[in-house]
Amino acid sequence: DTGVSQDPRHKITKRGQNVTFRCDPISEHNRLYWYRQTLGQGPEFLTYFQNEAQLEKSRLLSDRFSAERPKGSFSTLEIQRTEQGDSAMYLCASSLETGIDEQFFGPGTRLTVL
Amino acid sequence: KQEVTQIPAALSVPEGENLVLNCSFTDSAIYNLQWFRQDPGKGLTSLLLIQSSQREQTSGRLNASLDKSSGRSTLYIAASQPGDSATYLCAVRENNNDMRFGAGTRLTVKP
Repeated sequence: DTGVSQDPRHKITKRGQNVTFRCDPISEHNRLYWYRQTLGQGPEFLTYFQNEAQLEKSRLLSDRFSAERPKGSFSTLEIQRTEQGDSAMYLCASSLETGIDEQFFGPGTRLTVL
Repeated sequence: KQEVTQIPAALSVPEGENLVLNCSFTDSAIYNLQWFRQDPGKGLTSLLLIQSSQREQTSGRLNASLDKSSGRSTLYIAASQPGDSATYLCAVRENNNDMRFGAGTRLTVKP
């Protein structure tokens, strides 16, 4: 499968715990995006990488959230001291800077904070 | 701040009908507009992307149009099928790199 993959697909955790999600983009894509989607809403932008550089961060990305893309390939999104309001679907997308720069999305990680 | 609105929020049609989904946005200075399909609990599947210089794109039974000056896009689905049942999301990308999504239209096609 050459699409965007995300792991895990589902995560249930207790409030206060830390969680980490992984995204593997399409192999030749140099741009990687994280979004959050709550029930009944469209995805909201969180952050964006070009290669290994994190170039944009939304105000939604509080200091409990951190994202990395250390080698310009896969990315991780960590949430520290989870809160019930963090419960959502976390979506990753990737694109190739040249051409039309179309974003392709992964299947998402569903987080439930109890 | 760019705001994207999709109307209607939900739509139910009998199989075989042609239908139109609407998307409006407040700032016409966009880089592109993309239509996605999302099945329950799943990720997004890209359907069509219209660049700012284009007026429409077609793929099979789908046709998307873009009118930047009025801040509108439509997704036309011909001869709808039960397998088309899903949520359809419109997303606008400005010259920065984040995308603004509408809340989606939940489509049900009844056999």
